[in-house]
Amino acid sequence: SQQGEEDPQALSIQEGENATMNCSYKTSINNLQWYRQNSGRGLVHLILIRSNEREKHSGRLRVTLDTSKKSSSLLITASRAADTASYFCATGRGANNLFFGTGTRLTVIP
Amino acid sequence: EADIYQTPRYLVIGTGKKITLECSQTMGHDKMYWYQQDPGMELHLIHYSYGVNSTEKGDLSSESTVSRIRTEHFPLTLESARPSHTSQYLCASSDSDRNDGYTFGSGTRLTVV
Repeated sequence: SQQGEEDPQALSIQEGENATMNCSYKTSINNLQWYRQNSGRGLVHLILIRSNEREKHSGRLRVTLDTSKKSSSLLITASRAADTASYFCATGRGANNLFFGTGTRLTVIP
Repeated sequence: EADIYQTPRYLVIGTGKKITLECSQTMGHDKMYWYQQDPGMELHLIHYSYGVNSTEKGDLSSESTVSRIRTEHFPLTLESARPSHTSQYLCASSDSDRNDGYTFGSGTRLTVV
């Protein structure tokens, strides 16, 4: 399966700390995307990194991609209580549908 | 989360009823998708469409059916609901020319009693 797997499954940190989530996948990809899902809601697209990119930033988000290890990481700096959500990675390959991972549940304690 | 709308937001129905979950998007996206997700769990693709009159089954077997008569509309129908259909259903869309990610609706939480 091309499906990604996030690690850890759950993460609990204090407000102000950094949160790091990892994603591993199995086959070659064109891009990797990260999404956030608040409880009981739909997913929100956060950031996309293409296979020829190694790092990308968006506000407090930093994403890295290592295609040789088939892995990616999402770093959220200076976390806030509002960052509490589940985070999913999704891998894209050509015109095919995205494959979503199993998600990391992040809890930021005020 | 704007521009793609799912109705109803919550639905509680009895076993054996026929239901249709609505999904509409105003972005002109050619591709649309239905996912099933149990609370706190991964997403499972159950149907997708690459354009008008195109529908395909996804990775997870589902007793539901879909139609795509108009670009903006992708309803999902359950002919006879069962308690095992209780779940959250998420609709999404994407633009194959831009290939910049999916836009999701807020979901329909279905409970079959």
